Amino acid sequence: GAVVSQHPSRVICKSGTSVKIECRSLDFQATTMFWYRQFPKQSLMLMATSNEGSKATYEQGVEKDKFLINHASLTLSTLTVTSAHPEDSSFYICSAPPQIAVGNEQFFGPGTRLTVL
Amino acid sequence: GEDVEQSLFLSVREGDSSVINCTYTDSSSTYLYWYKQEPGAGLQLLTYIFSNMDMKQDQRLTVLLNKKDKHLSLRIADTQTGDSAIYFCAEGYTGTASKLTFGTGTRLQVTL
Repeated sequence: GAVVSQHPSRVICKSGTSVKIECRSLDFQATTMFWYRQFPKQSLMLMATSNEGSKATYEQGVEKDKFLINHASLTLSTLTVTSAHPEDSSFYICSAPPQIAVGNEQFFGPGTRLTVL
Repeated sequence: GEDVEQSLFLSVREGDSSVINCTYTDSSSTYLYWYKQEPGAGLQLLTYIFSNMDMKQDQRLTVLLNKKDKHLSLRIADTQTGDSAIYFCAEGYTGTASKLTFGTGTRLQVTL
């Protein structure tokens, strides 16, 4: 299957700092990418849809000024957690559907574990 | 809204078959997926089924779909310890960039 990478895999930061997470599609182009967060022992919650060349679409309850999304190219989307606080600690996962996918499947990155002290 | 429910936990002995169940409420879903998540990792797509199909088999995996009852199941034959993980079902829709709605996840524990 297609490969999606995320960087970094793990980050620990102090409260009040900003953290950038990258999501890359390595062997295909993706005009759309999705950002999820997952709390321990819970399912994935969609945060936003990242669109190449236009603004991201945020799910209800997700602060767009807190979670900045930039879809810079057809293979890269970034999520910046601004002024991070301990409650932002979570597992952040991105996914990307290839532009041509037989089953409309999405491929997921390995996730980024964010810990805010 | 869309609700996708799964039982929380399943324990099976190595070599037995595992059956993980999923119920959903949105009948307009086009595709239904099964993903596997190992601890601290992302999601691995296992298989998917188109909504007009009843069954799909892929090696040790068999997916059954009862669209009338909105019930999806994943059967893993000859379950191995490496199958221990969390399994998520998900609904998807027509369009290559449609978002997925995930189930609550089932933790599969395989014992010796």
